[in-house]
Amino acid sequence: QSALTQPASVSGSPGQSITISCTGTSSDVGGYNYVSWYQQHPGKAPKLMIYDVSNRPSGVSNRFSGSKSGNTASLTISGLQAEDEADYYCSSYTSSSTYVFGTGTKVTVV
Amino acid sequence: QVQLQESGPGLVKPSETLSLTCTVSGGSISSYYWSWIRQPPGKGLEWIGYIYYSGSANYNPSLKSRVTISVDTSKNQFSLKLSSVTAADTAVYYCARGSYGSGPWGQGTLVTVSS
Repeated sequence: QSALTQPASVSGSPGQSITISCTGTSSDVGGYNYVSWYQQHPGKAPKLMIYDVSNRPSGVSNRFSGSKSGNTASLTISGLQAEDEADYYCSSYTSSSTYVFGTGTKVTVV
Repeated sequence: QVQLQESGPGLVKPSETLSLTCTVSGGSISSYYWSWIRQPPGKGLEWIGYIYYSGSANYNPSLKSRVTISVDTSKNQFSLKLSSVTAADTAVYYCARGSYGSGPWGQGTLVTVSS
């Protein structure tokens, strides 16, 4: 299974909104509503931010939202804050009953 | 709250078997899926596989021939074995609750493959 495709980096100014894309195939992203997004700060374990395409776990800021169209899922961070600077990974369930991660996106708050 | 802790050797020789254990505290291992995920230094995440508390497991196709994940409900632990390791298996290995790592996660443990 091939990793899902994400942009290597995305940047934005404080207060702005940014969107990270995650492109797969009909055998993963496009075929199931089981896309998750993770935030990872340097030296830390990843933290789940979105599950099942658009659901936020308890405690995650409502500035984070997820969506999907066809084979591409997206994570939007609104009202960008300095603490949002981190690496972000998407993940999807696949037709083989396995999971695959995205290539990762570094978010920089400039 | 539930906490996970990985344990095992930090250095493994090429061609040998990497063995890690994840101990779950603050809650029962029963009724959940549990997963292993790894991250080579400076690189992205790779899903290794998951196991249900009953023992049924599923693995990344690219690692399937070398991976075994098992569970010991009496000890509230689950384990990872990866055989015939090479330098490419050097990574931080994370254990997590959930089939896709919904959380919580362990802090991760660095395993280096080197002679």
